[in-house]
Amino acid sequence: SQTIHQWPATLVQPVGSPLSLECTVEGTSNPNLYWYRQAAGRGLQLLFYSVGIGQISSEVPQNLSASRPQDRQFILSSKKLLLSDSGFYLCAWSVWGPVAEAFFGQGTRLTVV
Amino acid sequence: LAKTTQPISMDSYEGQEVNITCSHNNIATNDYITWYQQFPSQGPRFIIQGYKTKVTNEVASLFIPADRKSSTLSLPRVSLSDTAVYYCLVGDISGNTPLVFGKGTRLSVIA
Repeated sequence: SQTIHQWPATLVQPVGSPLSLECTVEGTSNPNLYWYRQAAGRGLQLLFYSVGIGQISSEVPQNLSASRPQDRQFILSSKKLLLSDSGFYLCAWSVWGPVAEAFFGQGTRLTVV
Repeated sequence: LAKTTQPISMDSYEGQEVNITCSHNNIATNDYITWYQQFPSQGPRFIIQGYKTKVTNEVASLFIPADRKSSTLSLPRVSLSDTAVYYCLVGDISGNTPLVFGKGTRLSVIA
């Protein structure tokens, strides 16, 4: 069966520090991968999505970047965090087909202080 | 991508049927309608998906009129555990278009 791993679950980082969040998927090949951010009490904001290795589409310009070094690995990074980067970060995967269903990781609660 | 419009919030008593309507006037021929449920501090969970008419599963029903410009998610006999945010998404299922979530509808079920 397919599973998605996202870590860490919580993270407190100072302003100006770097960030690296990792997401891996098991049990499927060539998934579409997504990074979302959700501020407190707000909806899900799509940050990046990828349809294949090295193929990254950015939805919102900001100081975050994403990379997909392997088929089932998706990494969200920042060189210098801002206070406004605080939020709940979610990784998700999907494959196309008759029912294109997305599966989400457990999320990372990031607090920038 | 077709834009969706949903009510911001809804309240319901336990045991009632809840209908959440989503407007998507610009839906394209290849677009499907998908609904997700999200609990606090969790990722969204797929509920149901449809293209036209009616789809039913063990969790909900989805009603789509002939013009497909709107859809209604129906939750039968809600319980307190159905309190969550419900998102309506419209897009093709090729996998080449990203999943874009709107603000959703916050459903509060009251005892």
